[in-house]
Amino acid sequence: DAKTTQPNSMESNEEEPVHLPCNHSTISGTDYIHWYRQLPSQGPEYVIHGLTSNVNNRMASLAIAEDRKSSTLILHRATLRDAAVYYCILRDLSFYNQGGKLIFGQGTELSVKP
Amino acid sequence: DVKVTQSSRYLVKRTGEKVFLECVQDMDHENMFWYRQDPGLGLRLIYFSYDVKMKEKGDIPEGYSVSREKKERFSLILESASTNQTSMYLCASSWGAAAGELFFGEGSRLTVL
Repeated sequence: DAKTTQPNSMESNEEEPVHLPCNHSTISGTDYIHWYRQLPSQGPEYVIHGLTSNVNNRMASLAIAEDRKSSTLILHRATLRDAAVYYCILRDLSFYNQGGKLIFGQGTELSVKP
Repeated sequence: DVKVTQSSRYLVKRTGEKVFLECVQDMDHENMFWYRQDPGLGLRLIYFSYDVKMKEKGDIPEGYSVSREKKERFSLILESASTNQTSMYLCASSWGAAAGELFFGEGSRLTVL
C-alpha cells in the first residue's frame, strides 16, 4: 500500500485559513486521495477526496499537485470545532472488488486557538 | 443520513471470554470494515467484507474473526479475549465503488481485564 507522510501537529488561529500538507510520493495511478478527520471521542468522518483535479465541498478544498505526489487540505476559516486529527489516505481503486480498504497513517493533530 | 451503529460504546470483559462486537448500517452498503485504534498506532484494519458471507483479512486479523450473514450487519468476534485486545474498535461501511467515502460508527471501547 502506498504511504502518506503528514506533520504530527499543526496550530492555527480561529477564523484563519489552514493548509494541511500531505506527501505521497509513491502514489500510483489508481490511488484516490482521501481526507478524513477525527474529532475527540468520535469515529473518523469523511472530509473530501480527489484523483487528479482540485476539489471543493462545503467542508474544505483539496489541492492536488500536478505530479500527484503531494496534496493539501485547505480549511478556509478554521473554527474551534475544526480541532481534530486529520488523516490523508490513499485508497487503491484496484481494490474495487475487495472493499477499497483505507489504510490510515498517524495523521496531523490540528489545534485551533481562539 | 447514513447511520452506522455499534452495539455498545463501552464493554468490560474478562480474559478468555468470547466477545461479540456488532455493527449495523442502514444504507445498503456493500462494504463493511472493522478497525482498532490504539494510542501511537493509529487506526489499523482488522477485517473487511465486500459482500454478504465474504471477508478479507486486514493488517492485524490474528485473534479475531468476523461474520457477515446479512448485508447490513458485520460482527467482530474475539474468540478468547486477551488483555492486549483492550482497544477502541471502529466499524465503517461504504458503497462498492472504491472512490466512495467510508462512514464510521462512534466506536466501542473494550477493556479486557
